[in-house]
Amino acid sequence: QKEVEQNSGPLSVPEGAIASLNCTYSDRGSQSFFWYRQYSGKSPELIMFIYSNGDKEDGRFTAQLNKASQYVSLLIRDSQPSDSATYLCAVQDSGTYKYIFGTGTRLKVLA
Amino acid sequence: NAGVTQTPKFRILKIGQSMTLQCAQDMNHNYMYWYRQDPGMGLKLIYYSVGAGITDKGEVPNGYNVSRSTTEDFPLRLELAAPSQTSVYFCASSKPQGSEAFFGQGTRLTVV
Repeated sequence: QKEVEQNSGPLSVPEGAIASLNCTYSDRGSQSFFWYRQYSGKSPELIMFIYSNGDKEDGRFTAQLNKASQYVSLLIRDSQPSDSATYLCAVQDSGTYKYIFGTGTRLKVLA
Repeated sequence: NAGVTQTPKFRILKIGQSMTLQCAQDMNHNYMYWYRQDPGMGLKLIYYSVGAGITDKGEVPNGYNVSRSTTEDFPLRLELAAPSQTSVYFCASSKPQGSEAFFGQGTRLTVV
């Protein structure tokens, strides 16, 4: 059973701080990695995707991928109360293209 | 710009009843998925499809059935509803490898 693991949180950070969210995965052959944000009662929406080792930046968000360690992270700089949500890590299965989701990390940004 | 459309948004079923959750996408995506999300949990894959006429089981298929007769539609059938099927159901679609999955707005189902 291929797995994606995340710390469920809640992770609490003060407004303006950096929030760091982490994810590990079991399928060494995975090539595509996604971070989704989900507000309570809403559907997941894509924040970032990353395919290559290293960092990928988009505004206040940075995704980091280390395939050797099977580790993906999301950094949120200058965190805002509106960033308070659950962040889901997803890995696309290398054989079937299914998306395997972690249980999500709940982030609270304190004003 | 509809994307992925799910109906209904809410439904209450009695134990033993059946229903079909509808999902339609207008992005010409080959891949479609059904997930369920229990409170405080991540998304668990029920069934998925890589194209019209092709479906396969995910992690939690028991109690559900699907069909895919067209590229656009991917309905999920619940037979003999049970309280354990109380959940939020999300349909999603995508292009092949390396593309994001687009989600519908979800169906909140309660079985009483």
